[in-house]
Amino acid sequence: DGGITQSPKYLFRKEGQNVTLSCEQNLNHDAMYWYRQDPGQGLRLIYYSQIVNDFQKGDIAEGYSVSREKKESFPLTVTSAQKNPTAFYLCASSMDTKYQETQYFGPGTRLLVL
Amino acid sequence: DAKTTQPNSMESNEEEPVHLPCNHSTISGTDYIHWYRQLPSQGPEYVIHGLTSNVNNRMASLAIAEDRKSSTLILHRATLRDAAVYYCIPLNYGQNFVFGPGTRLSVLP
Repeated sequence: DGGITQSPKYLFRKEGQNVTLSCEQNLNHDAMYWYRQDPGQGLRLIYYSQIVNDFQKGDIAEGYSVSREKKESFPLTVTSAQKNPTAFYLCASSMDTKYQETQYFGPGTRLLVL
Repeated sequence: DAKTTQPNSMESNEEEPVHLPCNHSTISGTDYIHWYRQLPSQGPEYVIHGLTSNVNNRMASLAIAEDRKSSTLILHRATLRDAAVYYCIPLNYGQNFVFGPGTRLSVLP
């Protein structure tokens, strides 16, 4: 089955530690996205990538970094500069970013700070 | 980006129709209206989208007002599995999706 996988499901971060969230898709989509969701809130865009080796900041990129070395993969690193990282992180993909294509979401990773 | 207003929450009885409203009075003429929903502890999933005409698919129907300043997502027979947060998202070419707080739908057995 085609889809998006995210791992791990739960992740714990210690103070001052960088952590990386994995996102893989086998839908052959060009565009990928990372969102953050806080309890009771909507989703906020962190980063997005329209094509391999290219990515753009979203609305809340500070304290996060990404890479897009392969079409299938778009990992997100939550750095120690992100002072309030506890949230639900969602990865999505679409055929492209320009034509309002349907976004397909992964199951999410819940990040907690110890 | 068009601003949207949705009720914070709604309730429905199982097997009854549900009408979820969305106000988007600042929508532009070329914005499509997208609806997604998010089941508890899952990522959002696509429901339906349209431009001017009413749209139907296996999940729901979308009724768009003639002036396009509002729309209504219609679930014809709510099931317990339809309990979710529903997001209304006007979107134009090249824009990023904006997921606001949405409407939390509760379905009572």
